[in-house]
Parts: sequence; structure tokens; C-alpha cells
Amino acid sequence: KQEVTQIPAALSVPEGENLVLNCSFTDSAIYNLQWFRQDPGKGLTSLLLIQSSQREQTSGRLNASLDKSSGRSTLYIAASQPGDSATYLCAVFAGGTSYGKLTFGQGTILTVHP
Amino acid sequence: DTAVSQTPKYLVTQMGNDKSIKCEQNLGHDTMYWYKQDSKKFLKIMFSYNNKELIINETVPNRFSPKSPDKAHLNLHINSLELGDSAVYFCASSQVQGITIYFGEGSWLTVV
Repeated sequence: KQEVTQIPAALSVPEGENLVLNCSFTDSAIYNLQWFRQDPGKGLTSLLLIQSSQREQTSGRLNASLDKSSGRSTLYIAASQPGDSATYLCAVFAGGTSYGKLTFGQGTILTVHP
Repeated sequence: DTAVSQTPKYLVTQMGNDKSIKCEQNLGHDTMYWYKQDSKKFLKIMFSYNNKELIINETVPNRFSPKSPDKAHLNLHINSLELGDSAVYFCASSQVQGITIYFGEGSWLTVV
């Protein structure tokens, strides 16, 4: 059974810092991994999707890496801003007959202080 | 325009009642889902539909019955609501499995 763990559970940083969020998964047989952002009272917004054959993906100040063999992914946020404050969720997709069954971590609550 | 919309956003109801949450997507996607986020913030899949056909039923009590009248809609009906059903329910869609999934803004269900 796939389990996804995110560390830390919460993170508070001053504006401008570079930071790393960690995600680990127990079954390395994944099809892809996605990072989502969830704002209070809102749905999830997909930030980055990394296919199992890829090592990293970048979008603006965000960079996500994937080491499938060790079951780890990191989300790097450069030059953090108060607007980055949200909960960040990591989710893996097993593929095959899983048909969209994402397994989520519990999230990292990020607070960026002005 | 909202890509995945669900109604109502907030719902407070008494135990034993029957309620429905509606979901519509205007992205032309073939696959739709219902996810549940519990009090500990864990998100877990409940159902997955592809072209109106049920693909995944993740051992959800049969009090929960999804209905997909067409590809763009996936509604969730819940019978005999229990206190433990209180959660946030998210509808989502994707073109095919394994690519970016788009989530609605959630429906906050509180059973009292």
C-alpha cells in the first residue's frame, strides 16, 4: 500500500528565503508525482507534474525534483514571498488501472512573513 | 470561467438526512473524481468515472452514490448522513488518467 509522507508539517520563514519541502513515498513504482497548492477555503491548484522518467520540473520560482528509486521528491521555492503562504501537497499516481487514484501526503503548511 | 465547479460550497445538515453535491466541469475532460478531505487534512479518492462509467470505488459505504448523467457532470448523493461524514468533498477532472488533475473549490459538509 502506497504511503506518502511530507516533512516538515509546518514551516514559517521570512520573506526572501529559499526553502525546500520534502516528500517521500513507500512504493517506487509510480507513474508520476504532482505538487499541489491549497489555499484556505479553496481547492487544489496543480503546480508541477513530474513523470517517472523525469528528474525535475521547473515553473518560475518553483523547482521540483524526483528520485524515484529512493522514493523522494523535493519542492524548492526560491525567493519566497508572502503570497506563497499556503498548504503544499505532494501526490503520487501509480498508473495502470489506478485511473486517477492519487495518493496524497498530509501537506506542509507554509507561512512566509513580510 | 470556473473549470470545475461544485455546489453547494457549504452544507450543514442533521444526521439521517439525504443530501447531494453537484459537480460540473467545462474542460471537456473524460475522467471525473470525488475526493474526501478529512479533519486531519488527508485527501483520499472516493470514486473515479471515465466517460460516465465507474472505474474506481474506493470501498466507500454504499450510502454514497455517485451519478454521472453525462461526461461533464458527476454528482454525489449521500443517504442517511452520519457525523463521520463531516468533511470537505472535492470534485476533480482530468483529460485522461496520469496527467494534471483539476480540482473544484470543495464542498464543506457538516453533519450535526
